[in-house]
Amino acid sequence: GIQVEQSPPDLILQEGANSTLRCNFSDSVNNLQWFHQNPWGQLINLFYIPSGTKQNGRLSATTVATERYSLLYISSSQTTDSGVYFCAVVGADSWGKLQFGAGTQVVVTP
Amino acid sequence: NAGVTQTPKFQVLKTGQSMTLQCAQDMNHEYMSWYRQDPGMGLRLIHYSVGAGITDQGEVPNGYNVSRSTTEDFPLRLLSAAPSQTSVYFCASLKQGVAEAFFGQGTRLTVV
Repeated sequence: GIQVEQSPPDLILQEGANSTLRCNFSDSVNNLQWFHQNPWGQLINLFYIPSGTKQNGRLSATTVATERYSLLYISSSQTTDSGVYFCAVVGADSWGKLQFGAGTQVVVTP
Repeated sequence: NAGVTQTPKFQVLKTGQSMTLQCAQDMNHEYMSWYRQDPGMGLRLIHYSVGAGITDQGEVPNGYNVSRSTTEDFPLRLLSAAPSQTSVYFCASLKQGVAEAFFGQGTRLTVV
């Protein structure tokens, strides 16, 4: 099946800093999503982005499907950005079945 | 519009007990699926359904049963709970195979 690798595995940021999270995938995808899992365990949809660039406030994401990677940018980080960020994809022949990466644990310190 | 609703939020079972985790969605989505999340890992697919009456296995199906009698509901059954099934379980739905997925709030299950 399709492999999803996220980097870095851990990230410690000071409040106000910017960061980039990366998601590499091993094959063509029909869907790519970024999620934030907050400290209470909830999965929050950040972006549905199989290709192109999107922005939502301080967060933005870019997916280059032809090169099989996606980037999530966090600008002016806040303590509420802490948590785990997951990338998940649906492979070209895997209708409805999300394959998750292992996540990036982000800690934002005051 | 409640989205995806899971019940219960927390559950403790003894080894060998059975139980059903409930999942309901009100978005008229065809696809529904169950995932488990173990500490330090991403979510792994247990079972999925592409419509009422149609289910299939995912990556880690052993020890779990599902059925889909209606579009709205997709229960997950543990027939004989084992400590290895201690995990957080998430239900997801999406309109079509390549559409955006929406997740429930999760069920934290402990098997002792």
